[in-house]
Amino acid sequence: QVQLVQSGAEVKKPGASVKVSCKAAGYTFANYDINWVRQTAGQGLEWMGWMSRESGSAGYAQRFQGRLTLTWDTSISTAYMELTSLESADTAMYYCARGYATGSHTFDSWGQGTLVTVSS
Amino acid sequence: SSELTQDPAVSVALGQTVRISCRGDSFRSFWPTWYQQKPGQAPLLVMYAGDHRPPGIPDRFSGSTSGDTASLTITGARAEDEADYYCASRDNSGNQKVFGGGTKVTVL
Repeated sequence: QVQLVQSGAEVKKPGASVKVSCKAAGYTFANYDINWVRQTAGQGLEWMGWMSRESGSAGYAQRFQGRLTLTWDTSISTAYMELTSLESADTAMYYCARGYATGSHTFDSWGQGTLVTVSS
Repeated sequence: SSELTQDPAVSVALGQTVRISCRGDSFRSFWPTWYQQKPGQAPLLVMYAGDHRPPGIPDRFSGSTSGDTASLTITGARAEDEADYYCASRDNSGNQKVFGGGTKVTVL
C-alpha cells in the first residue's frame, strides 16, 4: 500500500534551518506530485508548496517564498522540505502528502507528520 | 479571492445529519476536496472532485457544490465521525492550494 514515512522530530534554535524528509513506498514515486502542509498547535492546515512530477520543479506558497526549498531524489523515492531562518511561529507539525493528480489539491496519502519545535 | 470560509464548529446528535459548508469563489472554477482530521492523526481524504468518495470512506459521507459553496454531509452521524473537517481548493491562478479554516464536528 502507499506509504509516506517522514523523518523524526526536530528541535531548532531561532535563526536555524530544518530539513525534513519524506520517503515514499508502494507506488512509482516520480509519477505523483508531493505537497507539503503544516499545522501549528490547535490551528488549521496551511499549504506550503509542492514538487511537480510534470516539471520536476517546485512551487511555493507566497508567504514561504525565499525561505522554503523543496527538493526530491527520485532514485530513492524521497522528498525533502527545508525551511530556513526559523522563528518560534514556525513551531508546527509538518506533513508531506501525495497529490492525487498532477497539480491537484486532492492529497490522497499523507505522511505521519514531523514535529518541528523552534525554541531558544 | 483565494479564501475559503468555514464555520468553526458544528454539533450533531448521534444518528442525525450534519452539513458542513465551505464558501469560496474558487469553487466556481475548481472542485472542492474535503479532509477529516482526528486528534493526533494526519488528515484523511474523505471527498474529492465535489462528490467522489475514496475507497474505504463510508457512504454516509456525501459532497455537493452550488455556486460558491461546497458542502460535506454526514447522514447518520456516528461517534467516530467526531473530528475536524477541512475543505480545500486552489487560488485564482490555479497554482496555489488553499485550505479552509476547518470545522470541528461534535457528535452528541
